[in-house]
Amino acid sequence: DGGITQSPKYLFRKEGQNVTLSCEQNLNHDAMYWYRQDPGQGLRLIYYSQIVNDFQKGDIAEGYSVSREKKESFPLTVTSAQKNPTAFYLCASSPQIAGGTSTDTQYFGPGTRLTVL
Amino acid sequence: SQQGEEDPQALSIQEGENATMNCSYKTSINNLQWYRQNSGRGLVHLILIRSNEREKHSGRLRVTLDTSKKSSSLLITASRAADTASYFCATGLSGYSTLTFGKGTMLLVSP
Repeated sequence: DGGITQSPKYLFRKEGQNVTLSCEQNLNHDAMYWYRQDPGQGLRLIYYSQIVNDFQKGDIAEGYSVSREKKESFPLTVTSAQKNPTAFYLCASSPQIAGGTSTDTQYFGPGTRLTVL
Repeated sequence: SQQGEEDPQALSIQEGENATMNCSYKTSINNLQWYRQNSGRGLVHLILIRSNEREKHSGRLRVTLDTSKKSSSLLITASRAADTASYFCATGLSGYSTLTFGKGTMLLVSP
């Protein structure tokens, strides 16, 4: 059963704590992405990775960190430096980035809702 | 600033009616994609249209692209209550390897 999974579905964090959101895919996709979605807003790109051991900052990377040690895994850490982390976080993957000039369809996980207490 | 902007922000129709959503963008694109998001869930890809295409169909969906006006429209024909969701357009830009999403249109289809 192929797909992209995120865990946990709901996460509560106290102020000052770091938390890590999990994202795993078994689609053999090269590229993976993390987005943040706030109520009534679109998706904003946090980080993306085109290949193992490489990743780039998106539009709102401050206060977040990622790693890409394995092709199938792209965890996101929300650090205490993120001032307003309460949001819905979505992970996505796509087969490949064709020469950097076009983008494939992205496949999304179910999301993690993070709430800061 | 965001590349894609959907219009209207919200749309309420009756079952059986058609729903039309529009997306405008600002710069040259390689492709434009439409996604659906049910409340509290991830996004699901609906359709991709490339910059050299003008129209694509998929079941009850029809997407048009007018590169001269930098706009696209998504038409859902014979809407069903199950079509209730938010719909996002996303643009793939020339020279970039990521998509840029708009803020979405919330569609409510009443039985």
